[in-house]
Amino acid sequence: GAVVSQHPSRVICKSGTSVKIECRSLDFQATTMFWYRQFPKQSLMLMATSNEGSKATYEQGVEKDKFLINHASLTLSTLTVTSAHPEDSSFYICSAPTTGGNTGELFFGEGSRLTVL
Amino acid sequence: AQSVAQPEDQVNVAEGNPLTVKCTYSVSGNPYLFWYVQYPNRGLQFLLKYITGDNLVKGSYGFEAEFNKSQTSFHLKKPSALVSDSALYFCAVTPWDSGTYKYIFGTGTRLKVLA
Repeated sequence: GAVVSQHPSRVICKSGTSVKIECRSLDFQATTMFWYRQFPKQSLMLMATSNEGSKATYEQGVEKDKFLINHASLTLSTLTVTSAHPEDSSFYICSAPTTGGNTGELFFGEGSRLTVL
Repeated sequence: AQSVAQPEDQVNVAEGNPLTVKCTYSVSGNPYLFWYVQYPNRGLQFLLKYITGDNLVKGSYGFEAEFNKSQTSFHLKKPSALVSDSALYFCAVTPWDSGTYKYIFGTGTRLKVLA
């Protein structure tokens, strides 16, 4: 089955630094990837839709300059949390739909837990 | 407004008993319906989906779900629960007519299977 790999799984950083999270589709091409944020005991909040070769589409209320998304190739999307603050600490998850048919099914990465000190 | 409701934050069931995790939805157009499972500190794993056809859908790990159009529900079921089924379950829907993958997720239901 389709595999989405997310790295790193855990990252701890100091306040004010930037952190990059990678999301890779390992055995399929993903022209679109989605980035979610999940708060403890809560559902997934869609942050943005990453589009290969074009700008990401951000959801209302998500700061574009804070959460930089780059989708440089058909297998890689990155989320950079810039000038991180403790309130950015969260679980970030990426997902991608497979190509070759509109099954509508998403494949998720394992998630990245960010802790900002 | 389009939405997905999972009315129960937590469901407790004894091992070997049948389990049901409830989901209702409100979307325009024809919805695609999904169930995902999340284990601690992990991403979501696909369990099953309803697109069209038979209202009873069978999925991974012995789970099944029944689509009920009149009640706009898509409850997840399993005849005999296992302790290893303990996890967080998400119902999701996407109105495919929109041509997008913008899933609407429920708030999740934590399933606890007691030995």
